[in-house]
Amino acid sequence: GQSLEQPSEVTAVEGAIVQINCTYQTSGFYGLSWYQQHDGGAPTFLSYNALDGLEETGRFSSFLSRSDSYGYLLLQELQMKDSASYFCAVRATYNQGGKLIFGQGTELSVKP
Amino acid sequence: DVKVTQSSRYLVKRTGEKVFLECVQDMDHENMFWYRQDPGLGLRLIYFSYDVKMKEKGDIPEGYSVSREKKERFSLILESASTNQTSMYLCASSQNRAEQYFGPGTRLTVT
Repeated sequence: GQSLEQPSEVTAVEGAIVQINCTYQTSGFYGLSWYQQHDGGAPTFLSYNALDGLEETGRFSSFLSRSDSYGYLLLQELQMKDSASYFCAVRATYNQGGKLIFGQGTELSVKP
Repeated sequence: DVKVTQSSRYLVKRTGEKVFLECVQDMDHENMFWYRQDPGLGLRLIYFSYDVKMKEKGDIPEGYSVSREKKERFSLILESASTNQTSMYLCASSQNRAEQYFGPGTRLTVT
């Protein structure tokens, strides 16, 4: 089968740095995405890694190691508004319209 | 800005009713998706479509069907609603990239 593993919950304090890990086992791999979802809201796209290495977008960075089937999302200078669920998602097929397989999500709580 | 809209934010239906959930996107995207989201289970793909009148089963298609008669509209149909279909339903669209754009969701309760 195909699976993505990420921690169910992470807690951190305002101003700190937090890393959310994601390991995957899929039949194919064309990229790893991260999505953020606030309570009651829709998931929104954060980042995408198709190649190994680190991608930085402001306070958020995402890393991929294809040889380890592993990636992470790094959030720096945490703010209260970063409290949300974070999902990793793998694009396992080249065709099929960009179909993604999602992890179960990590609920991040940022404390003052 | 891409906009994906869903016909209802909240819906309450009775067991056995036929339920239609509508999704419309305004960015001429080829691909559209229907997910359901349940606590602890993440987003699970029900059906998707990569072209008008084309559809493919996702991971949990049982009890659902879809329709895509126009490029911008993708409908999810529950032929005979059951209580285990109580869930949050999310529609998304994309243009062959890893970025999917989601609608606000429909919270369906089947009693």
